[in-house]
Amino acid sequence: AQSVTQLGSHVSVSEGALVLLRCNYSSSVPPYLFWYVQYPNQGLQLLLKYTSAATLVKGINGFEAEFKKSETSFHLTKPSAHMSDAAEYFCAVSDSGAGSYQLTFGKGTKLSVIP
Amino acid sequence: DSGVTQTPKHLITATGQRVTLRCSPRSGDLSVYWYQQSLDQGLQFLIHYYNGEERAKGNILERFSAQQFPDLHSELNLSSLELGDSALYFCASSARTAFELANYGYTFGSGTRLTVV
Repeated sequence: AQSVTQLGSHVSVSEGALVLLRCNYSSSVPPYLFWYVQYPNQGLQLLLKYTSAATLVKGINGFEAEFKKSETSFHLTKPSAHMSDAAEYFCAVSDSGAGSYQLTFGKGTKLSVIP
Repeated sequence: DSGVTQTPKHLITATGQRVTLRCSPRSGDLSVYWYQQSLDQGLQFLIHYYNGEERAKGNILERFSAQQFPDLHSELNLSSLELGDSALYFCASSARTAFELANYGYTFGSGTRLTVV
């Protein structure tokens, strides 16, 4: 079974500082990997996805993630944090068993941005 | 607007009752997935329907059931509700093939917040 581990349930950064949110996955087959963001009282919005093309994936709002197969990691980064980045971030892996492609999510990392 | 519509947005009901949550997928998407988000369990996959047929089941209780209708909207039925069923219920839609998933990913609705009192 697929699984996702997000290191750190809470991360605080200063405005303008680097954002690094960690995600490690386990998968028996080449995975599809996703990062979603959830703002308070809202649904999940897709930030970016890795689907076996380029290992460095660029997403919306200046975020990017690098797929590293040897480390089974898919960490999310942003060079300079903005106040509007404060939200909860979820890493997810798609389980393609039987063609269903349901998502297995990590527990989430709540990002706080300090002015 | 993501294109996935969930109704109602909020629902408050008593223990033992039955509720129905509705999801209309994005135009052209044949798959509907249901997820439950709670504080203790996080985001959990419940069930997947494709073009009217059940394709996969996750951590869905026997008290819960779902179906997808010919117009592709889906309903999640929750019965004999307990306090622990209070959660956010999301649906997501996607295209069927791996190629389309690679290009379009999943689209989530804004969720239904269920409170059982």
